[in-house]
Amino acid sequence: QKEVEQNSGPLSVPEGAIASLNCTYSDRGSQSFFWYRQYSGKSPELIMFIYSNGDKEDGRFTAQLNKASQYVSLLIRDSQPSDSATYLCAVRGGGADGLTFGKGTHLIIQP
Amino acid sequence: NAGVTQTPKFQVLKTGQSMTLQCAQDMNHNSMYWYRQDPGMGLRLIYYSASEGTTDKGEVPNGYNVSRLNKREFSLRLESAAPSQTSVYFCASRDRGWYEQFFGPGTRLTVL
Repeated sequence: QKEVEQNSGPLSVPEGAIASLNCTYSDRGSQSFFWYRQYSGKSPELIMFIYSNGDKEDGRFTAQLNKASQYVSLLIRDSQPSDSATYLCAVRGGGADGLTFGKGTHLIIQP
Repeated sequence: NAGVTQTPKFQVLKTGQSMTLQCAQDMNHNSMYWYRQDPGMGLRLIYYSASEGTTDKGEVPNGYNVSRLNKREFSLRLESAAPSQTSVYFCASRDRGWYEQFFGPGTRLTVL
């Protein structure tokens, strides 16, 4: 059974600071990793994806992947109140590229 | 471009009733997926369709059936609804050669 673990939070970060979200996964053969943002009552929205070890940056977001340690992280720089949401980590591996999701981390950006 | 659409948005059923959740995408994607999301849980895969004419079980298929009607549409049917199927249901799709999935707005289902 493939598992994806996230700290459920809430993680509280002051506005303008860096928010750091972490995720570990159990299947060493996992190939693709995704971060989704989900506002309350809304559907998941893709933020970042990463396939290779190292860092990938897109605007204020940086995804970091370490396959040897089986963790993936998301950094959000210059956090804004609009970043307050639940962040879902997802890993590809569940049948025809279906995704296995963590339970999500609830992030709160305090103005 | 509407992306992925789902109907209905909300539904209340009584135990034992049946219903079909509809999903359509206009992005010409090959693969389509049905997930459920329960409070405090991540999304869990119910069924998927890698291409038109094929369907396969995911992690939690019991109590559900699916139909890939054509490339655009993928429906999820509950034959005899149970309170344990109270959840938010999301449909998603993915293009061939890419692994990112795009989600519809969801259907919030309550079974009494």
